Amino acid sequence: DAGITQSPRHKVTETGTPVTLRCHQTENHRYMYWYRQDPGHGLRLIHYSYGVKDTDKGEVSDGYSVSRSKTEDFLLTLESATSSQTSVYFCAISEGELGGNEQFFGPGTRLTVL
Amino acid sequence: GNSVTQMEGPVTLSEEAFLTINCTYTATGYPSLFWYVQYPGEGLQLLLKATKADDKGSNKGFEATYRKETTSFHLEKGSVQVSDSAVYFCALMDTGRRALTFGSGTRLQVQP
Repeated sequence: DAGITQSPRHKVTETGTPVTLRCHQTENHRYMYWYRQDPGHGLRLIHYSYGVKDTDKGEVSDGYSVSRSKTEDFLLTLESATSSQTSVYFCAISEGELGGNEQFFGPGTRLTVL
Repeated sequence: GNSVTQMEGPVTLSEEAFLTINCTYTATGYPSLFWYVQYPGEGLQLLLKATKADDKGSNKGFEATYRKETTSFHLEKGSVQVSDSAVYFCALMDTGRRALTFGSGTRLQVQP
C-alpha cells in the first residue's frame, strides 16, 4: 500500500471553528490532492499541489485553504467551518505521468460540523 | 468543463451473474479514463485504466474499453462474487491539472 496517512480520522466540531486536516506521505510523490466525498456527487477536487509551495484551486475550493511546506505534508484548513463542509475528506498522491497518472488515496477523514 | 456520468445504483446481482456498469464522459482533448473501487470504510483503489481510444483496461476479471466514438468506458465482469460488493467510480484525468473528475459512483451488492 502507498504510504499515505490522514489525521485525524474522525472529527466533530462546531460551526465557526477553524479545522486543519493533515495528509502525510512517505512516497516522495510530487502531486498531492484534497477531495471531498458526498452522497450523489462522487469525489470533488478541493485543492491540489504540484510541488512544495505550489498549489492551485479545484472545483469546490470556496471556504478552504491549503499549504505545502514540505514534500511529505499537505494541509487542508477550514478557516471557519460550516455545516455544508460536513463530509468525508480524502487525500491522494501521484507521480503524474511518471507513474501513469495513477492516484493513490488515503483512508479518509470524516468531518462533522454541528 | 469535464464531466462523468454513471448509471445510478444500487445494482443488486446474484453471485456469478454478469455485471455491466455504464459510464459516459464529456471532455476536451483526449483524457485518460479510470475505474476506482471503494470497499466499505476504505479509501479508493485503482481497479483499471485506459489511456487512449480502443485501449482495454483489465484487472481481477473486470474489463473496460475506451470508446471514443461513444465517449464511453463501461465496466464489465463475467461472473461477480460476493467480495465484489463495493462502490465503483468512473473517472477521467484532466491532463492540465492531473486531477481526476469522478462520476457519482455506483454501489454494487452481490448476494450469495
